[in-house]
Amino acid sequence: GAVVSQHPSWVICKSGTSVKIECRSLDFQATTMFWYRQFPKQSLMLMATSNEGSKATYEQGVEKDKFLINHASLTLSTLTVTSAHPEDSSFYICSARDPGTGDYEQYFGPGTRLTVT
Amino acid sequence: GENVEQHPSTLSVQEGDSAVIKCTYSDSASNYFPWYKQELGKRPQLIIDIRSNVGEKKDQRIAVTLNKTAKHFSLHITETQPEDSAVYFCAASEGPRTGNQFYFGTGTSLTVIP
Repeated sequence: GAVVSQHPSWVICKSGTSVKIECRSLDFQATTMFWYRQFPKQSLMLMATSNEGSKATYEQGVEKDKFLINHASLTLSTLTVTSAHPEDSSFYICSARDPGTGDYEQYFGPGTRLTVT
Repeated sequence: GENVEQHPSTLSVQEGDSAVIKCTYSDSASNYFPWYKQELGKRPQLIIDIRSNVGEKKDQRIAVTLNKTAKHFSLHITETQPEDSAVYFCAASEGPRTGNQFYFGTGTSLTVIP
């Protein structure tokens, strides 16, 4: 099956700094990737849709200037949390669909745990 | 936008019994309904999915039913085993035609008691 990786798997940063998270599709080309946020014992909340070569589409209530998304190639999307604050601490997960199949399934990365101190 | 509700939030069953988790959705254009299992700190794993052109799908001990008219779908796990213990999420999507965004339910923490 299709494989999606994320890097780093966990990161600790100081309040006010920026953190970049990478999401890669390892064995397929993903024109679209998705970013989710998951607080402890809560659901996955869709933050944005990352489109290769164009601007990301953000869900209502998600600050696009705070969560910068870049999808520069067919296998890589990045999420940068700018000026991070403790309330940004969360589990960030990306996913991608393999358009080469007829499936609607999204393949999820292993997630990145961000802790802002 | 799509709103997906999921019940119950927690469920405990004896090993060997069945477990049922129910979801409702609001967007009548949704046509794809996956179910994911997530263990603590790990990525969600697809366990079964259904498209709107069928009413039921089964894979060994797991089945999903869909009622498009009522906008609800359910996950059925039979002969539960301790390794089925995890958090289960339903989701709804309009599919690739409109971007393939997934909107998740609130999750059900299933505990199977040996």
